[in-house]
Amino acid sequence: GNSVTQMEGPVTLSEEAFLTINCTYTATGYPSLFWYVQYPGEGLQLLLKATKADDKGSNKGFEATYRKETTSFHLEKGSVQVSDSAVYFCALGPPGGYNKLIFGAGTRLAVHP
Amino acid sequence: NAGVTQTPKFQVLKTGQSMTLQCAQDMNHEYMSWYRQDPGMGLRLIHYSVGAGITDQGEVPNGYNVSRSTTEDFPLRLLSAAPSQTSVYFCASSPGREDRDTYGYTFGSGTRLTVV
Repeated sequence: GNSVTQMEGPVTLSEEAFLTINCTYTATGYPSLFWYVQYPGEGLQLLLKATKADDKGSNKGFEATYRKETTSFHLEKGSVQVSDSAVYFCALGPPGGYNKLIFGAGTRLAVHP
Repeated sequence: NAGVTQTPKFQVLKTGQSMTLQCAQDMNHEYMSWYRQDPGMGLRLIHYSVGAGITDQGEVPNGYNVSRSTTEDFPLRLLSAAPSQTSVYFCASSPGREDRDTYGYTFGSGTRLTVV
């Protein structure tokens, strides 16, 4: 079946540090992959996406590359800010299964000045 | 502001009570869905709708009902609340279900429900 595994949090970093949040997936066929972010007290927002192998999604300094060979979609940012503190969800969109997204458990990021 | 509006933001119920979580969107989106968020489990799909009058079950539909009489509204009903339904509930919408990959989903800010 389809599933998403994320690294457990919380991840605690100092401002300007490099961020990596690991995400691996299991899927049949060729899914679409997403990162959503949830700021405190808010709903989820789409951060970036990739719909085919080797695509790189990017937004607000965050990047993730769709790696079919390693079934991964790791989130990276070169220099985090306090305002990046949030919960990050990796998600998988099954091919043709447009009715759903399958989410990972989420990773909480805390950035300190 | 345009978006997905959920009410109430917080609710406490006693076991066996019923209630309706409201969800409304003003973006003329065809596709709407309900998810629940539990610690360590991410979000799981409860029910979804691909247009007015059309609904279907997701991954965890038991104990919940939905209807879609208008494009704008997609209420979620808890028939007889149980402590296992304590969770944070999110409503989401998309222009069309095929737009999941282009636009992603727009989420409401959530309803935190506690059943005692």
